[in-house]
Amino acid sequence: LAKTTQPISMDSYEGQEVNITCSHNNIATNDYITWYQQFPSQGPRFIIQGYKTKVTNEVASLFIPADRKSSTLSLPRVSLSDTAVYYCLVGDTGSGGYQKVTFGTGTKLQVIP
Amino acid sequence: NAGVTQTPKFQVLKTGQSMTLQCAQDMNHNSMYWYRQDPGMGLRLIYYSASEGTTDKGEVPNGYNVSRLNKREFSLRLESAAPSQTSVYFCASNLGVTDTQYFGPGTRLTVL
Repeated sequence: LAKTTQPISMDSYEGQEVNITCSHNNIATNDYITWYQQFPSQGPRFIIQGYKTKVTNEVASLFIPADRKSSTLSLPRVSLSDTAVYYCLVGDTGSGGYQKVTFGTGTKLQVIP
Repeated sequence: NAGVTQTPKFQVLKTGQSMTLQCAQDMNHNSMYWYRQDPGMGLRLIYYSASEGTTDKGEVPNGYNVSRLNKREFSLRLESAAPSQTSVYFCASNLGVTDTQYFGPGTRLTVL
């Protein structure tokens, strides 16, 4: 399983763009990169998933360089409600399944008024 | 459409007591999972059921048993609770093991 490294915590002011980087140096060819968001006292919620280059949805963008050894979750113009823990998961979810993917400790994002 | 529901929300047990955590989903998903989350930690997989009628161990199965009662329901049983099992337990489901997971609200369990 690919090991991931993320910053433990980040602070950002409301309205700013936030970029959270995840390192995964030993990512395998079949591995996808998935990001989850977890609010206090709630279960994680899927945000975005990608394999290479850039993926964008209504919530976030995911940037993956050509070597795929890292990825960056970008949250545009954060608000107080984006305060949460963000998890980067790397694994063969495309064929192996989510049971083969592990959650790290995540990045605790605190949005400041 | 309630998604994934878990009962109870909170539970306090004494060491040695047993209990069953219930999970149900109404999304017609085939796969279901049980995770535990300790304070300040990520989620760790206890057991999963890739499809009705099958169950498999995850990363931390010791001290737990599971039952896939039917397609909707997946229960987690602690036969003899220990303080080390104090945690928040999350149930999740997905259409298939390669599809996006949906999580329940969690059960906060304290073992004294």
